[in-house]
Amino acid sequence: GEDVEQSLFLSVREGDSSVINCTYTDSSSTYLYWYKQEPGAGLQLLTYIFSNMDMKQDQRLTVLLNKKDKHLSLRIADTQTGDSAIYFCAESFNNNDMRFGAGTRLTVKP
Amino acid sequence: ETGVTQSPTHLIKTRGQQVTLRCSSQSGHNTVSWYQQALGQGPQFIFQYYREEENGRGNFPPRFSGLQFPNYSSELNVNALELDDSALYLCASGADTQYFGPGTRLTVL
Repeated sequence: GEDVEQSLFLSVREGDSSVINCTYTDSSSTYLYWYKQEPGAGLQLLTYIFSNMDMKQDQRLTVLLNKKDKHLSLRIADTQTGDSAIYFCAESFNNNDMRFGAGTRLTVKP
Repeated sequence: ETGVTQSPTHLIKTRGQQVTLRCSSQSGHNTVSWYQQALGQGPQFIFQYYREEENGRGNFPPRFSGLQFPNYSSELNVNALELDDSALYLCASGADTQYFGPGTRLTVL
């Protein structure tokens, strides 16, 4: 199974906030990432957080890291239809092996 | 736009054949990683190259091999193709932060 776990689906209404959750298993992860993948495309890096941080905010995106519970979340404020995509959580070890979750499919309804 | 390009975009092969996929980065990062993304799954790490040397490998058999060139472009070679090799192959440039190309979709019949 996956070392990184995410719920598979999330549906929100346009203008609401979206929260995508992720749990990981390896406490030695150095960085944790959120990537976005649109249909037929590669992965777009959205944001990342170093493992000694608790929170990072970047415009509409807020990342929260609870290292004790090995829980990472991505909050998207004022979600738009263009945010509909698959979101992947990933952890990395010494800039080498990056492990991804199976992805959360976010659907934004008008 | 990440500046990472991959070729070809799509490829169809038959079982037992060999394939070469290519990746280049405008940024000239000296680290490139390759991933396999099966349908409906997250990417799986194949291997990473740093300054033309393999710098880590995931759980893939030796028939998956790679090269990195002095200009830091890279190739992924897969020998003796199997049906389960059908996937989107992604390359990523960079180390702390990895920037992905659009991928090559390989179909093995």
